[in-house]
Formats: sequence, structure tokens, C-alpha cells
Amino acid sequence: EDKVVQSPLSLVVHEGDTVTLNCSYEVTNFRSLLWYKQEKKAPTFLFMLTSSGIEKKSGRLSSILDKKELFSILNITATQTGDSAIYLCAVESGGRFVTGGGSNYKLTFGKGTLLTVNP
Amino acid sequence: DTGVSQDPRHKITKRGQNVTFRCDPISEHNRLYWYRQTLGQGPEFLTYFQNEAQLEKSRLLSDRFSAERPKGSFSTLEIQRTEQGDSAMYLCASSLPRTVSGNTIYFGEGSWLTVV
Repeated sequence: EDKVVQSPLSLVVHEGDTVTLNCSYEVTNFRSLLWYKQEKKAPTFLFMLTSSGIEKKSGRLSSILDKKELFSILNITATQTGDSAIYLCAVESGGRFVTGGGSNYKLTFGKGTLLTVNP
Repeated sequence: DTGVSQDPRHKITKRGQNVTFRCDPISEHNRLYWYRQTLGQGPEFLTYFQNEAQLEKSRLLSDRFSAERPKGSFSTLEIQRTEQGDSAMYLCASSLPRTVSGNTIYFGEGSWLTVV
């Protein structure tokens, strides 16, 4: 069974701190790893990573994937109170069926890291 | 609004009643997913459609749960004889066909179910 494990499960920091969130996985037929931010509603997409060692950056957020060690990290620098949310890691796995058409791509989520940024 | 929409957004029901949720994916997205999320947990995969074909079902989807996507557009998720443990947010998501560069899954706002 595919597994995605995030750590820590919760984290409390002060504004201006830098945080690193971890995600490790064990899946069959890895396709990609995605990071989502979830506030009170549905998850919103942050990054998709498919290749090892290539950092993706968006403002104060950055992420990198290590396919050999099967993990990813999400960094947030100079945290702000608006960064408070649950950060979800998800791994896409699966592939196309050899016969009959179709595919069985699936997204498996970790439990998330609850980040609280205090002023 | 051209995002994934779900209806109803909130539902309170008595134990034993049936409930049905509807999801309208982003148009031209042929893949549609249902997830369940409880407080403090990440979304758990329930089932997945490619067009009208239901390609995978999680073992979490007991025989009280059924999902359909009859014309390959909107989907419904029905829970029969609800139990208190069914209380959760039911998330629908959709995506384009898998491409070489990957796909991004877009989530709806979710349907909150409370079974009392």
C-alpha cells in the first residue's frame, strides 16, 4: 500500500522564522510529488516535483525532491501569519494499463503539517 | 466560476439516513476524484473516474458508498444508512488527462457532512 509520511505533524513559530517541512514516501510507480496548502477550505496547489535535485521556488516558498532517498522538503523563509495553514504532501503513482486502455493514477496524501505562525 | 463545484456545501443528517453529494468538475477535465478528509488528517482517496468509467475504489469505500459519473461530466457520491463515523468533508477534484509534464489536480470546496 502506498504511504506518505509528513513531519512534524504540527509546528509553532514566530513571524520571520524559517521552517522546513518534511515528506517521505513509499509508493509503487512514482510519478510526481505535490505540495498543497490548506486553510479552511480545499487544498490549493503549491508545487509539483518530478525530478530529483531541482528546486522549485515561488516567493518565500521553495521545495526539492530526492528520488533516491524518497523524500521532499518544503521551505518557507521569513514566515508571516498568513502562512498559517496545513501543508499537505501528496504523491502521484500508477500508470497506464498495458491492455484495455485507461490508467490507474492515484494521489496519496500525507496527514499534513499544521503550521502556526505567531506575530 | 469555472472551478470544481460541489453541492451541498454542508449537510447535517440523522444516523441511518441516506445522503447524496454532487460534484461538477472543471469542463474538459476527464478525470474526477473523490476524497474524504477528517479533522487533523490529510485527504483519503475514495474513488476515481476517467470519463464515465470508475477505475479504482479504495477499500475505505464500503458497500454503503456508491459513486457514479453517468455521462462523464458531473459525479454523485451517495452514502446509504449513514453512521456517525461518516462525518467528514468529502472533497471532489478533477484534472486533465495525464500528460508527460504531469497533471495538476484541482479541488472543490468540499461538502461537510455531519451525522447526528
